[in-house]
Amino acid sequence: AQTVTQSQPEMSVQEAETVTLSCTYDTSESDYYLFWYKQPPSRQMILVIRQEAYKQQNATENRFSVNFQKAAKSFSLKISDSQLGDAAMYFCAYSRGEHYGGSQGNLIFGKGTKLSVKP
Amino acid sequence: GAVVSQHPSRVICKSGTSVKIECRSLDFQATTMFWYRQFPKQSLMLMATSNEGSKATYEQGVEKDKFLINHASLTLSTLTVTSAHPEDSSFYICSARGVVNTEAFFGQGTRLTVV
Repeated sequence: AQTVTQSQPEMSVQEAETVTLSCTYDTSESDYYLFWYKQPPSRQMILVIRQEAYKQQNATENRFSVNFQKAAKSFSLKISDSQLGDAAMYFCAYSRGEHYGGSQGNLIFGKGTKLSVKP
Repeated sequence: GAVVSQHPSRVICKSGTSVKIECRSLDFQATTMFWYRQFPKQSLMLMATSNEGSKATYEQGVEKDKFLINHASLTLSTLTVTSAHPEDSSFYICSARGVVNTEAFFGQGTRLTVV
């Protein structure tokens, strides 16, 4: 079975600084997707960034980037120039690829990291 | 991104009654919808996957007779919690996906309290 582990229950960063959130996963499959979702106090799940396993290039979305280490099964999220609005729960998630009958919707989530941003 | 609307956002019901939660895709046809459950300060757990016009596929440990899922149209899926008990109190979130190889978009969630 696939698992997702986030070992940092809470993290804190100073406004305008950079922070990295860790995520490791376990799978024997070769076709999969990895995601970072943000859940602010409103509890609306927001997709931050997505990585396809077969792509070697790390995904980036403006201030958000990932370090995808496939062999190590590591998928960390780097937030640059942190803003007060970045404060939220961040969930790392895995989904099986279409080759295994999965989709980008049936997600396995880690336990989350609560990020605080200090002004 | 696409919009998924979930209703109601909050509901309180008496123990033993049933409650229905709706998940609608407002601007796209959702071929697949997903239902998650989130306990306080915990992660989301997938409960079931439903494809339009088909029976839902439930994850292991989820009682299909208790959590009835209907996906009768391409824009609406419903989750009915039958004979609710206090331990069913939780945050329920749906997500919807259109054509293959696209991301799933989440609804706002429903906080269910059973008293």
